[in-house]
Amino acid sequence: NAGVTQTPKFRVLKTGQSMTLLCAQDMNHEYMYWYRQDPGMGLRLIHYSVGEGTTAKGEVPDGYNVSRLKKQNFLLGLESAAPSQTSVYFCASSYSAPRNQPQHFGDGTRLSIL
Amino acid sequence: GQSLEQPSEVTAVEGAIVQINCTYQTSGFYGLSWYQQHDGGAPTFLSYNGLDGLEETGRFSSFLSRSDSYGYLLLQELQMKDSASYFCAASNRDDKIIFGKGTRLHILP
Repeated sequence: NAGVTQTPKFRVLKTGQSMTLLCAQDMNHEYMYWYRQDPGMGLRLIHYSVGEGTTAKGEVPDGYNVSRLKKQNFLLGLESAAPSQTSVYFCASSYSAPRNQPQHFGDGTRLSIL
Repeated sequence: GQSLEQPSEVTAVEGAIVQINCTYQTSGFYGLSWYQQHDGGAPTFLSYNGLDGLEETGRFSSFLSRSDSYGYLLLQELQMKDSASYFCAASNRDDKIIFGKGTRLHILP
């Protein structure tokens, strides 16, 4: 049982390049989330989805876009990468609203923007 | 706004007990969760408190007081493998949770 899988695990981009991070879960979870983690900042929510075809903005959505075309996949896009987007990105999923449901995290994508 | 406050670092001795505190300020508060994250790893769920009181899971316990907007994580019989960062996270009545900035736990032999 793979759980939550993120690809790629590492990536280096140049300023202005674009890329897509993929998150896939095999637990039939409805809710999916993208976070970024910077030193001393904890986890900050970028965008989230409460079901196939839905997306919503989180705390730090600027410079990112997302899509949830299939229930099991949640894509995070950077249209024009900036050095400020250098971070570790985590995807998470939960069966329902995480009021009392644990979030299951992927192993993260370490992204550097030069 | 919504915020959670927890100490940035805590140091304890192997075999001892340590408590990590968390105070929160959030509208429509629903419950408090705790996550553990080892260096280079992913956060993993430890516990959840939806009601006031203590929840126990093996060596770990978590406490919540809604009237004080306060909770804590208690780790007993500390082991070196417990060296990690611990995050409290508040859920409210919408679809997301807010994480604290994390407490790094150092364990001395």
